[in-house]
Amino acid sequence: NAGVTQTPKFQVLKTGQSMTLQCAQDMNHEYMSWYRQDPGMGLRLIHYSVGAGITDQGEVPNGYNVSRSTTEDFPLRLLSAAPSQTSVYFCASSPTPLRGARTEAFFGQGTRLTVV
Amino acid sequence: KQEVTQIPAALSVPEGENLVLNCSFTDSAIYNLQWFRQDPGKGLTSLLLIQSSQREQTSGRLNASLDKSSGRSTLYIAASQPGDSATYLCAAIQGAQKLVFGQGTRLTINP
Repeated sequence: NAGVTQTPKFQVLKTGQSMTLQCAQDMNHEYMSWYRQDPGMGLRLIHYSVGAGITDQGEVPNGYNVSRSTTEDFPLRLLSAAPSQTSVYFCASSPTPLRGARTEAFFGQGTRLTVV
Repeated sequence: KQEVTQIPAALSVPEGENLVLNCSFTDSAIYNLQWFRQDPGKGLTSLLLIQSSQREQTSGRLNASLDKSSGRSTLYIAASQPGDSATYLCAAIQGAQKLVFGQGTRLTINP
């Protein structure tokens, strides 16, 4: 089972460039999220989705866009990259809301992004 | 606003020791709490999930406890092995879909 797959694994961008980080899951999970991990800050929620067509902002949404056209995919778009967006990005999914009984979050392997 | 703290930030112990990792949270009205393991350059692997109605959960050599009244969770690792070396993260569920993470404890098991 592939689980949660993120591409690319590494990326270097110039300031002002745009790109899309891909996230796909093959577990038919309704709930998907994007986090960024920074030294000294831990992981912080960027955006999340509770199903196809439904997205919402997390703690640090500025500079990022998301959409959810299918259950499987939840891409994260950087419209104009800035050095402050240098980070490791993780996508996660769960079958039901995390506050539900016995619901775990499953994470991808991450995308390491450097903006120069 | 939920805040999660993990102390110590780093821990080094000899192989074979039993050890405890600590996680504290500020809002006792949590739903669930999840412990993860992260190897260098890798993603997060779920270790244990403790539901708010539970006091502890066990998987192999791992045992996690939850005390909502004191705002604490602990991860107990029995008979530690070099392969247990990694960063351990705890995360509390806030709202419907937000994981609030601690900054992790970097564990090194010395052969």
